[in-house]
Formats: sequence, C-alpha cells, structure tokens
Amino acid sequence: KAGVTQTPRYLIKTRGQQVTLSCSPISGHRSVSWYQQTPGQGLQFLFEYFSETQRNKGNFPGRFSGRQFSNSRSEMNVSTLELGDSALYLCATKTAGGGTDTQYFGPGTRLTVL
Amino acid sequence: AQSVTQPDIHITVSEGASLELRCNYSYGATPYLFWYVQSPGQGLQLLLKYFSGDTLVQGIKGFEAEFKRSQSSFNLRKPSVHWSDAAEYFCAVGRASGGSYIPTFGRGTSLIVHP
Repeated sequence: KAGVTQTPRYLIKTRGQQVTLSCSPISGHRSVSWYQQTPGQGLQFLFEYFSETQRNKGNFPGRFSGRQFSNSRSEMNVSTLELGDSALYLCATKTAGGGTDTQYFGPGTRLTVL
Repeated sequence: AQSVTQPDIHITVSEGASLELRCNYSYGATPYLFWYVQSPGQGLQLLLKYFSGDTLVQGIKGFEAEFKRSQSSFNLRKPSVHWSDAAEYFCAVGRASGGSYIPTFGRGTSLIVHP
C-alpha cells in the first residue's frame, strides 16, 4: 500500500501570499489531520477532517483553513502568510472515525515564508 | 486544557544500554497517551498508544510504556538501545472530541546513542 503523500515537499512564499498544501491519504483512510511543526512552538494540531467534515480544530487563526474531498484527499490553505508561518506541515491519516485507530504521517511540506 | 512535559531535552546513552524517556501529562479525565518518534528522512511514526486497559503498553521496535495515573506519567522504555534509535521522541496526550481526539504534544526529547 502506498503511504501518505504530501505535495509539494518544499515551498517558498513571500509575506502576504497564500498557499495551498495537499495530502493524499493511504487507500481506505477517511480521516486526515494536519499539524504544524516549528522550532519555537513544537508540534501543534491544526484540524482534522473526516468524511468531508471538519471534526476537530486546534487553536489557530482563521487564516488557516482546510477541506476534504469525497476521495478523502485533503488540502489546507494559509492566507496572508506571515514569517511565523514558516514551518513543516504534516498530515496524518487513519482509517475510520474511531479515535483508537493508528495514525500514519506523511513526509511533510516544508514552507518557508520570506 | 491538557499539557505534556518532557523534562529531558537531550538524553545520551551508549548502544546496548537501557533507556527511559520521561513524560508527564496534565489532563482532568482519563487521557489518551501516545509516543512518537521522528527521524530525519523517516518522518513521524507512532511507537505506541494507550487508550484504556492494561497500563503496560507494548509498541513497535521493542519499546514499551507504562501509564501511571497516580504519577500522571507515561514513560517510554527500551531494554537495549540500538544506534538506529537515535531520533527525536515526542509524547502526546489526547483529549476525546468529536469521536476522535485532539492531541497536545510535548516539546520532545532528543536521543543520542554512542557506539
């Protein structure tokens, strides 16, 4: 089975721009979660989507948004980029709604904001 | 709100020695608890998880962790460390929400393995 795929792997943007990141889950996985990892704040939960609905949300401003498509692929969008948005963005997927399912992480998208 | 403390930023062990990484959490109810490992080029990987039941949890790569409610701890152990275990280790606590959970991560412990 193919693993979790994230595109692009690296991205450079300038302040004020917006960016869209993509996550393709393992086949059969319907839950997709997004995380931000920075040296200053560590690993932080952004949001989780299940069956095209946002199920949970972390403590991030409204500039961070996401969506999930009927094939379970997910995108996250960051508008009006700030320098502090430079981070590794990870997505993780799991099979179904149950909280006990194991999450599998993608390799991440490294975003640099100049 | 839940929180996680990993008191050790770095730990150095010799290959073959035993390992214990500490994790303390703060959460009002029965927590979901996790340990993850992150290696360069390997991404983040779940080592083990605790939701309920037996407080000693076995994971992958020979790791285990013990949930101690009285101490609010979930320490990770391995009897004999291999050089390939050198990595960053994260403990996390999950708050049940919406049929799933919202995780909060510790700041991580960097494991250095000497030959």
